[in-house]
Amino acid sequence: DTGVSQNPRHKITKRGQNVTFRCDPISEHNRLYWYRQTLGQGPEFLTYFQNEAQLEKSRLLSDRFSAERPKGSFSTLEIQRTEQGDSAMYLCASSGTSGGPPPGTGELFFGEGSRLTVL
Amino acid sequence: AQSVSQHNHHVILSEAASLELGCNYSYGGTVNLFWYVQYPGQHLQLLLKYFSGDPLVKGIKGFEAEFIKSKFSFNLRKPSVQWSDTAEYFCAVKNYGGSQGNLIFGKGTKLSVKP
Repeated sequence: DTGVSQNPRHKITKRGQNVTFRCDPISEHNRLYWYRQTLGQGPEFLTYFQNEAQLEKSRLLSDRFSAERPKGSFSTLEIQRTEQGDSAMYLCASSGTSGGPPPGTGELFFGEGSRLTVL
Repeated sequence: AQSVSQHNHHVILSEAASLELGCNYSYGGTVNLFWYVQYPGQHLQLLLKYFSGDPLVKGIKGFEAEFIKSKFSFNLRKPSVQWSDTAEYFCAVKNYGGSQGNLIFGKGTKLSVKP
């Protein structure tokens, strides 16, 4: 399978604990995105990388959240001191810059998500 | 702030019925428009997209959508639905030339097709 891979698929944790999610994008894609989806809502943008550079962060990304993409390949999303309100599906997506009109096609390829449950 | 509205939360149809899902967005500039679909237990995948040109765009599995700029709408249609179309459908908008990352999604419409 050469799609976007995320793990773990499901994480249950106690409030106050730290959690980390990993995303492996499609190999030739240089852009990587993190979204959050809660029940009854569409995905909400958190942050995005072009190669290793984090170019944009949403105001939804509080100080407890940090994302990295150290070598421009896989990415991690860490949530420190989790709260019950952090319970959600965390989606990763990737895209390339080749093809389509500038600035990129805008088509995102999503992973299956990592579901976080904070007790 | 830019937003996307999907008017129907849950649509229930019988097989062979026609489908139209509404999507309106609030942004006055040039936009790129998308419909994504999420089948049960699967990841989000692109159904169709509009960047420019013919406002009637065709996607996979017989779906099409029409961009009406004056109405800020991008409604999704299919003449005859199948049971396999049961899924959740998300409309999404991106400012052309704007933020690279910020694709704004609607809340989604769940479609249930009865066999």
